Amino acid sequence: SQQGEEDPQALSIQEGENATMNCSYKTSINNLQWYRQNSGRGLVHLILIRSNEREKHSGRLRVTLDTSKKSSSLLITASRAADTASYFCATVGRGAQKLVFGQGTRLTINP
Amino acid sequence: DTAVSQTPKYLVTQMGNDKSIKCEQNLGHDTMYWYKQDSKKFLKIMFSYNNKELIINETVPNRFSPKSPDKAHLNLHINSLELGDSAVYFCATGGPSALSNEQFFGPGTRLTVL
Repeated sequence: SQQGEEDPQALSIQEGENATMNCSYKTSINNLQWYRQNSGRGLVHLILIRSNEREKHSGRLRVTLDTSKKSSSLLITASRAADTASYFCATVGRGAQKLVFGQGTRLTINP
Repeated sequence: DTAVSQTPKYLVTQMGNDKSIKCEQNLGHDTMYWYKQDSKKFLKIMFSYNNKELIINETVPNRFSPKSPDKAHLNLHINSLELGDSAVYFCATGGPSALSNEQFFGPGTRLTVL
């Protein structure tokens, strides 16, 4: 199965601190994507990183990809209360026609 | 305008009933998807359509029948609802080379089967 596994399942930090979430997967990928889901809402795309890329930034977000370890990390710097949400990684396997999601990390930012 | 909309937002029904969920997108994308998110937040693809043609059917029971009347709509009809069908159902779309780019999700439909 291509399914990603995320670590930790839940993370609680103070506002202003950095949050790091990790994702591991099992087979070769075309790309890996991170999504955010606020409570009771749909998923919102954050960043896509392709298999030939190692790092991408978007605002306070930094994503790394290590294809040799089949893992990715999402770093949110200077966290804010509004960052409280669930974060999912999703992979597109080589030759696959679908996104496969991990089980997510529930992030809570305490004011 | 909402890019991907779903109706209804909440659906509560009895076991054995038949119900439909509608999805509409105004992004002009060719590809549309249905996902199911269970109580543990696990999100899994059910179907994908490209330009009204079924591309993926992830061994979903045939009680579930997607229908795409046109490129902007992908509806999900569920027959003989069971307790295990209770979940949040998300519609999503993707543009050209959909899997090489982001997907846009609707707000979800929370289905509760009693």
